[in-house]
Amino acid sequence: AQKITQTQPGMFVQEKEAVTLDCTYDTSDPSYGLFWYKQPSSGEMIFLIYQGSYDQQNATEGRYSLNFQKARKSANLVISASQLGDSAMYFCAMRVQGAQKLVFGQGTRLTINP
Amino acid sequence: DSGVTQTPKHLITATGQRVTLRCSPRSGDLSVYWYQQSLDQGLQFLIQYYNGEERAKGNILERFSAQQFPDLHSELNLSSLELGDSALYFCASSVAPHRGEKLFFGSGTQLSVL
Repeated sequence: AQKITQTQPGMFVQEKEAVTLDCTYDTSDPSYGLFWYKQPSSGEMIFLIYQGSYDQQNATEGRYSLNFQKARKSANLVISASQLGDSAMYFCAMRVQGAQKLVFGQGTRLTINP
Repeated sequence: DSGVTQTPKHLITATGQRVTLRCSPRSGDLSVYWYQQSLDQGLQFLIQYYNGEERAKGNILERFSAQQFPDLHSELNLSSLELGDSALYFCASSVAPHRGEKLFFGSGTQLSVL
């Protein structure tokens, strides 16, 4: 079975600092994809970044990067130079090859302080 | 704007009633997913359709049903509503249910059962 664990219910960071949101996953399938989504207070789910299990390099999308450590089964999201608008819930998710659904973690609420 | 349209945005109803939530996927997306988000359960996968056919079922109650129509829009029907059904219901779409295909989410329907 697939499982995503996000151990940080909440995080508080000063504006302009870098922040790392933790995500560990559990699957026995060698082919899978890892996703991060952002949910601001307005409620919509916004896709941020994707990492495939066979990708050799860590994914990057602007200020977002994914620190993928396959042996440790971790896929931490790194946000560089945080901004006030980064305050939101962040969800890590996984889908294994052949599975239809995306499985989400419980989320981390990130608060950026001015 | 993700391109996924959900209506209505808010729904307030009473216990025992029946409601229908509607979703129009992004143009070109064949796969539609329904998720329920509540404070205690997090984001739970309900059901998925691909090109009109049901492909996967998650933690969907028997009181709930869904379908995807030939024009690819989908409806989620919730009946005999209970207080515990109050939640944010998301529809998401993707081109195909491949492990690397990201899901694009609608803005959700906030259901309140009183």
